[in-house]
Amino acid sequence: AQSVTQLGSHVSVSEGALVLLRCNYSSSVPPYLFWYVQYPNQGLQLLLKYTSAATLVKGINGFEAEFKKSETSFHLTKPSAHMSDAAEYFCAVSYTGTYKYIFGTGTRLKVLA
Amino acid sequence: EPEVTQTPSHQVTQMGQEVILRCVPISNHLYFYWYRQILGQKVEFLVSFYNNEISEKSEIFDDQFSVERPDGSNFTLKIRSTKLEDSAMYFCASTDSRAYNEQFFGPGTRLTVL
Repeated sequence: AQSVTQLGSHVSVSEGALVLLRCNYSSSVPPYLFWYVQYPNQGLQLLLKYTSAATLVKGINGFEAEFKKSETSFHLTKPSAHMSDAAEYFCAVSYTGTYKYIFGTGTRLKVLA
Repeated sequence: EPEVTQTPSHQVTQMGQEVILRCVPISNHLYFYWYRQILGQKVEFLVSFYNNEISEKSEIFDDQFSVERPDGSNFTLKIRSTKLEDSAMYFCASTDSRAYNEQFFGPGTRLTVL
């Protein structure tokens, strides 16, 4: 079955440090890949998406992600964390023919002053 | 900027009661979805809807659930007889294209079943 794994339900980084949030998918067919951010008591906001164009995808708020087919990964990075990045981050996949999103379990990012 | 809206933001109901959660998708979108997120858990797909019919549904979406697009703007999720385990945040989403399937999410309705 198709699934998404996000390693680390909680990640803490210092302000200014690199942010790395991991996402791996399991599928034999090329997926569409997404990262969403959820701030407390708010909905899901798209950070970036991979749709089979460039493997390095740049998103909003300085985030980027790289699609690595050989590793079935789509990790989210940001060079320098900001306090405002504290939120929950969800990786999601969808596939041609179904289009529903399959979400990972989420990673709560904490940014330490 | 166009956005998906949902009402109410919070609904409290008694077990066994019917609830209707409402969504207004982005106006030129054609594909609609409902997801739910039980507190502390991941977001789960419930149902997708296109051309006035269900395209796909999950095993969660049993006979207690139904969806409807009663007019040109609203998209509703009805739970006929709520259970305690229906307590969750329900998100509506819409998209205009299946090709890249970027879904735009509403802010959610928090349903609390007592």
